[in-house]
Amino acid sequence: AIQMTQSPSSLSASVGDRVSITCRASQDIRNDLGWYQQKPGKAPKLLIYAASTLQSGVPSRFSGSGSGTDFTLTISSLQPEDFATYYCLQDYNYPWTFGHGTKVEV
Amino acid sequence: EVQLVESGGVGLQPGRSLRLSCAASGFTFDDYTMHWVRQAPGKGLEWVSLISWDGSNTYYADSVKGRFTISRDNSKNSLYLQMNSLTTEDTALYYCAKSGNGYIHFDYWGQGTLVTVSS
Repeated sequence: AIQMTQSPSSLSASVGDRVSITCRASQDIRNDLGWYQQKPGKAPKLLIYAASTLQSGVPSRFSGSGSGTDFTLTISSLQPEDFATYYCLQDYNYPWTFGHGTKVEV
Repeated sequence: EVQLVESGGVGLQPGRSLRLSCAASGFTFDDYTMHWVRQAPGKGLEWVSLISWDGSNTYYADSVKGRFTISRDNSKNSLYLQMNSLTTEDTALYYCAKSGNGYIHFDYWGQGTLVTVSS
């Protein structure tokens, strides 16, 4: 199975900061990667698919980049509602695998 | 409005079996691939299984292959997960999730149903 290594596992940031989270795949996955946000007690929410396409309704401060094995989720200006845990997911081949998550804290 | 409502989660002993259900509404159910994703308490997300729109293709995580079976009944707008030979490692909140069009996956999620496996 493809391993997804996400870093950092947690980070501390302030409102207005630019935040970047990376995900590295154990093999080439083209651009078959999504990013999800999860808040405590809630189901995850799709932010980005196909590595860089913003899901409808997601604020433009979120962006995704990368292809092959290295991917980045960037939040250009962190807002209070963005404090959450973020996961990447490879859907290149089965079994699909998530990264272990990055918790964005104050 | 898209709704996914899971049910069937309970507490049970290792080795037992359980069937989860997910009732879908607000979209044309038989147009879309569906999934189960789980999350152990305090842990990250784990993709469990996928079933194609017509049920002809199914895929599983290595951790559940041979023990879990995903199925769907398009006439009832329902998704199922039959779980056999449960272990404590299967303790988790189980989410039903829908794929969208093209490369969009997990665009809608249910609220989850909790399965607790303990002796």
